[in-house]
Amino acid sequence: GAGVSQSPSNKVTEKGKDVELRCDPISGHTALYWYRQRLGQGLEFLIYFQGNSAPDKSGLPSDRFSAERTGESVSTLTIQRTQQEDSAVYLCASSPTSVEGASYGYTFGSGTRLTVV
Amino acid sequence: LAKTTQPISMDSYEGQEVNITCSHNNIATNDYITWYQQFPSQGPRFIIQGYKTKVTNEVASLFIPADRKSSTLSLPRVSLSDTAVYYCLVGDPNTGGFKTIFGAGTRLFVKA
Repeated sequence: GAGVSQSPSNKVTEKGKDVELRCDPISGHTALYWYRQRLGQGLEFLIYFQGNSAPDKSGLPSDRFSAERTGESVSTLTIQRTQQEDSAVYLCASSPTSVEGASYGYTFGSGTRLTVV
Repeated sequence: LAKTTQPISMDSYEGQEVNITCSHNNIATNDYITWYQQFPSQGPRFIIQGYKTKVTNEVASLFIPADRKSSTLSLPRVSLSDTAVYYCLVGDPNTGGFKTIFGAGTRLFVKA
């Protein structure tokens, strides 16, 4: 597609349930990033994928969070046993390479708004 | 990673020039300065990036003094549609910058 696509756009879940968020990056983009944005705050880095290299998971806040990416395609972010503090917008971004992204900008999706009740 | 400080919010009127200043006192030699714009319910959008002096594109200008401890994003003749949050980021693009820290940003509100 022309842009980064994220689904679902909105998700309401009960505390304790698992959720899976999906990101379709721009075709050909080898670098993919997940960020979390709480209401009224900036973006927190979560995880980064670059091609077939091992992902950098240093931003994941707890072991309840995990992410996968198959090759240079779709990525899924999974949150297990959701807590109310997980409520936020989860943003995915991609770039041709990590250096190009940092130099010319990442392309962000519109995000998934997660509400844990 | 260099930390940035920006005003929390700014107000302006249509047609005015808006200047948003960002402080980054501990910027490293290889760091570049990047600005993003974010509208409600959307992801951030790249505006401009620079290393020193002045950079201009079709959207904005970026002024960086010689000591690089601050930078100023200049938006000429703003319109209502420029109401958004503006983020100043500092990082080394040659290391990917993928952990670039987005602070809380500056909320610009343009009035008619």
